[in-house]
Amino acid sequence: KQEVTQIPAALSVPEGENLVLNCSFTDSAIYNLQWFRQDPGKGLTSLLLIQSSQREQTSGRLNASLDKSSGRSTLYIAASQPGDSATYLCAVREGGSEKLVFGKGTKLTVNP
Amino acid sequence: DADVTQTPRNRITKTGKRIMLECSQTKGHDRMYWYRQDPGLGLRLIYYSFDVKDINKGEISDGYSVSRQAQAKFSLSLESAIPNQTALYFCATSVAGRGTDTQYFGPGTRLTVL
Repeated sequence: KQEVTQIPAALSVPEGENLVLNCSFTDSAIYNLQWFRQDPGKGLTSLLLIQSSQREQTSGRLNASLDKSSGRSTLYIAASQPGDSATYLCAVREGGSEKLVFGKGTKLTVNP
Repeated sequence: DADVTQTPRNRITKTGKRIMLECSQTKGHDRMYWYRQDPGLGLRLIYYSFDVKDINKGEISDGYSVSRQAQAKFSLSLESAIPNQTALYFCATSVAGRGTDTQYFGPGTRLTVL
């Protein structure tokens, strides 16, 4: 059974700091991996999607990497801002399945 | 206007009541999903639909039913609500065959069953 783990569960950093969020998964037979942002009352917003054949994706200050063989992904946030404060969720889509398996998230607080 | 909308946004009900949560989308996507989110458990898939005539059970479908009334509408029903169905419910959509496979989520419905 696929399990997705996110470490740390919570993170507090000062504004301007570069930071890394970690995601690990137990079964490497994935179709893709997505990083989402969840804001209170606003649902989930997709940030980056990495196909299983890709190594990384970038969008603005965000960079996500994927090492499928080791079952790991990282989300790198450069020059963090208070507006980046949210819960970040990692989800993998298993090969041959429509199901997304989510981690429990990392709650990020960026302090001004 | 939001692309994926959910109604109601908040609902408090009593044990044994029938509840329907509704989801509508203007994205023109063929695939729709219902998830629930519980503290400490993450999001789990309840049901998903590839089109109006194709509905599939997800990880935790017991106690729930769904209806895909049209491509743009996907409803989730709790026939007889129980307290452990208290959770945050999300609808999501995606489109097949575009390569990106991104899921787009609605704002959620917070359901409390007393």
